[in-house]
Amino acid sequence: QKEVEQNSGPLSVPEGAIASLNCTYSDRGSQSFFWYRQYSGKSPELIMFIYSNGDKEDGRFTAQLNKASQYVSLLIRDSQPSDSATYLCAVRNAGGTSYGKLTFGQGTILTVHP
Amino acid sequence: EPEVTQTPSHQVTQMGQEVILRCVPISNHLYFYWYRQILGQKVEFLVSFYNNEISEKSEIFDDQFSVERPDGSNFTLKIRSTKLEDSAMYFCASSAVGGGETQYFGPGTRLLVL
Repeated sequence: QKEVEQNSGPLSVPEGAIASLNCTYSDRGSQSFFWYRQYSGKSPELIMFIYSNGDKEDGRFTAQLNKASQYVSLLIRDSQPSDSATYLCAVRNAGGTSYGKLTFGQGTILTVHP
Repeated sequence: EPEVTQTPSHQVTQMGQEVILRCVPISNHLYFYWYRQILGQKVEFLVSFYNNEISEKSEIFDDQFSVERPDGSNFTLKIRSTKLEDSAMYFCASSAVGGGETQYFGPGTRLLVL
């Protein structure tokens, strides 16, 4: 069973702080990694994706990937109350039959308090 | 900006009834997916669809489920005889490429089976 694990939280940070969200995955051959944000009762909304080892920055968000450790993280700088949501890590598994299927973690609830 | 749309937003049905959930993927996308999320649980993959046939399906996607692309724009999920445990949020997603390409999610249909 290919698993994606996240700390369910909740993670609480003050406004302006850095929020750090972590995710591990079990399939060593996984190739693509995605962070989605989900507000309560809404659909997943893409924040960013990463394919290669290292860091990828997009505005206040930085994704970090370490394939050797099977670990992907998301840093949110200058956190705002509007960032309060559940953050979903999703992994596209390798394999001949895996036609873009995403495996999701259970999500980390982030609360940014003023 | 193009987006995935889904109808209806909410559906209440009696156990044993058939339901059809509808999706209009982003117009130039070629790969289509259904996921579901039971309240408080992970987003789970159901099925992927490309070139008018199923590419991959999960264990959840049993004989009670079917998908169809009846015309050039719609993509449907049919549940033939609903069960109580089918109550969930159902998300349609689409991507331009089936590999690592980003999947964009629709707003979802909340299905309640009584």
